Parts: sequence; C-alpha cells; structure tokens
Amino acid sequence: QEQLVQSGAEVRKPGASVDVSCKAIGYTFSSYYLHWVRQAPGQGLEWMGIINPSGGATTYAQKFQGRLTMTRDASTTTVYMVLSSLRSEDTAVYYCARSTGSPGAFDIWGQGTKVAVSS
Amino acid sequence: DTVMTQSPDSLAVSLGERATINCKSSQSVLYSSNNKNYLAWYQQKPGQPPKLLIYWASTRESGVPDRFSGSGSGTDFTLTISSLQAEDVAVYYCQQYYTTPHTFGQGTQLEIK
Repeated sequence: QEQLVQSGAEVRKPGASVDVSCKAIGYTFSSYYLHWVRQAPGQGLEWMGIINPSGGATTYAQKFQGRLTMTRDASTTTVYMVLSSLRSEDTAVYYCARSTGSPGAFDIWGQGTKVAVSS
Repeated sequence: DTVMTQSPDSLAVSLGERATINCKSSQSVLYSSNNKNYLAWYQQKPGQPPKLLIYWASTRESGVPDRFSGSGSGTDFTLTISSLQAEDVAVYYCQQYYTTPHTFGQGTQLEIK
C-alpha cells in the first residue's frame, strides 16, 4: 500500500529548530515529488515547499526562505523538513504530501506531525 | 503569489440536496500549451489529512464517488456535490498547482441543514 509515514509530535521552545521526517512506503521513491504543507490550529492549509527525491532539488515558499531546509535520503526513502528559528506562530500540524509531477495535485498525504512551539 | 478565494466560507445543505462551492484564482491557472487547468479540490475531515477529490479541475480521483464533480476554467471553478450525504460533512479546499507557491483557498465548511 502506498503511504507516507511521518515522525511523531514535537515540542520546542522559541528560537529552536525542529526536524520532521516523512517515509515513503510502497512506491518508487524517485518517481514522485514531495511537498510540505502546514495547518495552524483552526486554520487553513499553507504550502511550504517541494523537494524532488531524484536529485534533491528544492523550492521553498518565500515566506520560509532562510528558515526551511528540505533534504532526502534515497537509501531509506525518507524526506526531512527542518524549520529553524521557531516562533509561536509555527505551532501547527505539518504534512508531507506526494504529487505525481511538478506541477501536480497531491494524491497521498502523511498522517501529519503536530509541532508545538511554547516557552 | 496566486490568491485563491473560496465562497461561501460555510454552507449548510439538506441531505440529498446539491452543494456548490466556488473558487476564484487571482491569475489564470490554465496552461495554454496543454489546455489543462492546474486546479485541485480536497476534502478534510476533523483530525485527518486532506484527501484529493478532483484534479485538473474536473478529473475525479480514483475511488471518489461520482456525486463529486468539478468544473470551470481559467480563474473560476466550482465543486459540486450532487446529492449530499452525511459523510460529506467536511472542510473543502481548492488549490492551484500552476505556479509556486501552490496556494490553497481559505476553505469552505460544509454542514448538514
């Protein structure tokens, strides 16, 4: 079964960094792009960026430039998202999602990872 | 950035009746070279990730009931649920994937009247 499995919930203090992983299972890792999307409590969906698992090229939303890093490990079919200099507004559920192309709609989503930023 | 604006913000429809959600993009998401609209619709239920319903503005994802349909082109799009079922209560989002950032609409909460 094709799926994306994310790492567990995290709590961080303001100014810290958080890394979230997303493991691709059941399909050819290099054949699909992966995106990160976040959702603050009670709010809508916000696209953060995209990574091409074949080669590792990335594009980030301007809002996150300088704070966001996406990487991938083809040997473990896992992509990673690191968000640094955290502030309370970064409290959200973070999702990874797969698209069949770039561009493409997001056909499979991870279960989400809750990140709380609090002093 | 392309701004996606949905209307209404919330909607209450009786079981078995039609539900219609609109989405307007600030720029065209129609790519002239392939005549495809880079527009998707998602359904999100509480505590769950979004689920893809429609892509290319009108193509139903595999397994999605045929009561869901998408239409429109350029900057104006519509998601229609022909006969509302109880399990359709959710928040619905449109998204453009024509250009980055791949922006979403603000969401429409659909409830039973």
